[in-house]
Amino acid sequence: DTAVSQTPKYLVTQMGNDKSIKCEQNLGHDTMYWYKQDSKKFLKIMFSYNNKELIINETVPNRFSPKSPDKAHLNLHINSLELGDSAVYFCASSQQGWETQYFGPGTRLLVL
Amino acid sequence: ELKVEQNPLFLSMQEGKNYTIYCNYSTTSDRLYWYRQDPGKSLESLFVLLSNGAVKQEGRLMASLDTKARLSTLHITAAVHDLSATYFCAAMEYGNKLVFGAGTILRVKS
Repeated sequence: DTAVSQTPKYLVTQMGNDKSIKCEQNLGHDTMYWYKQDSKKFLKIMFSYNNKELIINETVPNRFSPKSPDKAHLNLHINSLELGDSAVYFCASSQQGWETQYFGPGTRLLVL
Repeated sequence: ELKVEQNPLFLSMQEGKNYTIYCNYSTTSDRLYWYRQDPGKSLESLFVLLSNGAVKQEGRLMASLDTKARLSTLHITAAVHDLSATYFCAAMEYGNKLVFGAGTILRVKS
């Protein structure tokens, strides 16, 4: 059973489009995260939710909007996609915010 | 703001040799994590270090933490090809925010 899963794995789209990435964890964790890994492999946190409540909201364009329908799911919606949004987006989860985070397989987004 | 620096950023090793990756962080942090990432794959948790002097070992990898020096090390013993990957350290900032280093690309040559 996959612990943290993401869909889709690959996303190729045109500038200006709107897209969503979905994340689900079956670990029973309370906290979920979105990270962006750029072309130089640098990882930066974007958002975190604890039990459906937004806890960390980094300085990202407001075109990015996370949504957590329940504590096992955290989705990321991106409006008006730009070339610079091309990256790998990782979802992660942890039991509590200070515990080890477990990462999903990543979604490779390419904006043309 | 917490900053995490790793060095070296790229490491090419011969099989059987030993080497150390260094991770410095700029402000007090309660927890230090090491992750491994294979090309095109996810991040795999290796170690979490919680206190000064903590040492953890798994196979050919050993991680340690010196909170006074704000330094963690990942020591590789008798490297084998399977250890080739990118290794990230990450420190926990106030508010439970994980800040990652830039990663060290390790290539083990036979």
